[in-house]
Amino acid sequence: EAAVTQSPRSKVAVTGGKVTLSCHQTNNHDYMYWYRQDTGHGLRLIHYSYVADSTEKGDIPDGYKASRPSQENFSLILELASLSQTAVYFCASRDSSAETLYFGSGTRLTVL
Amino acid sequence: QQKVQQSPESLTVSEGAMASLNCTFSDRSSDNFRWYRQHSGKGLEVLVSIFSDGEKEEGSFTAHLNRASLHVFLHIREPQPSDSALYLCAVGEITGNTGKLIFGLGTTLQVQP
Repeated sequence: EAAVTQSPRSKVAVTGGKVTLSCHQTNNHDYMYWYRQDTGHGLRLIHYSYVADSTEKGDIPDGYKASRPSQENFSLILELASLSQTAVYFCASRDSSAETLYFGSGTRLTVL
Repeated sequence: QQKVQQSPESLTVSEGAMASLNCTFSDRSSDNFRWYRQHSGKGLEVLVSIFSDGEKEEGSFTAHLNRASLHVFLHIREPQPSDSALYLCAVGEITGNTGKLIFGLGTTLQVQP
């Protein structure tokens, strides 16, 4: 089964600070995704990537950047963290020939 | 954009009784649907994927898709207390091969011993 590892597991950040969330997958999948989960909104797609050194905007990209320096690694960057970005963030990966996304365990981000 | 809604919001069943969860979507041209489970504080675990009308069984989980009525159901046979979790319905994006999923808000299932 696909292995997707996220770090850190949880983080507390201050408003206006920079936050980087990391994701690493070991199954040679082409696609990687960042979703956020909020009460009342469910999971929403922030950014995704289908190849190294390229990222695409999802449904709610504002306030977030993404970086895919290699096939295995995909980062989500909050340059100026805001209170509204408090959420649980999930990374996922998928092979281009398959339909199923495999998710990591999530990063709980609290912005104070 | 595709809209996905789930009902009920929460469901309590006794151990061993069938649990049925409902998911409705807005665009019947979608062709891939899946159910995920999320235990409290954990990641998402895929339970069953279905791509055509009818039923698909994976262990104690059965998905039933009826695109004409815009419904996909999840039936859990003989649920155990360990099946208590948030159940999420996800519908794949219609165009392209992005793999993007649109999620419902979920149904919280509580299985009582």
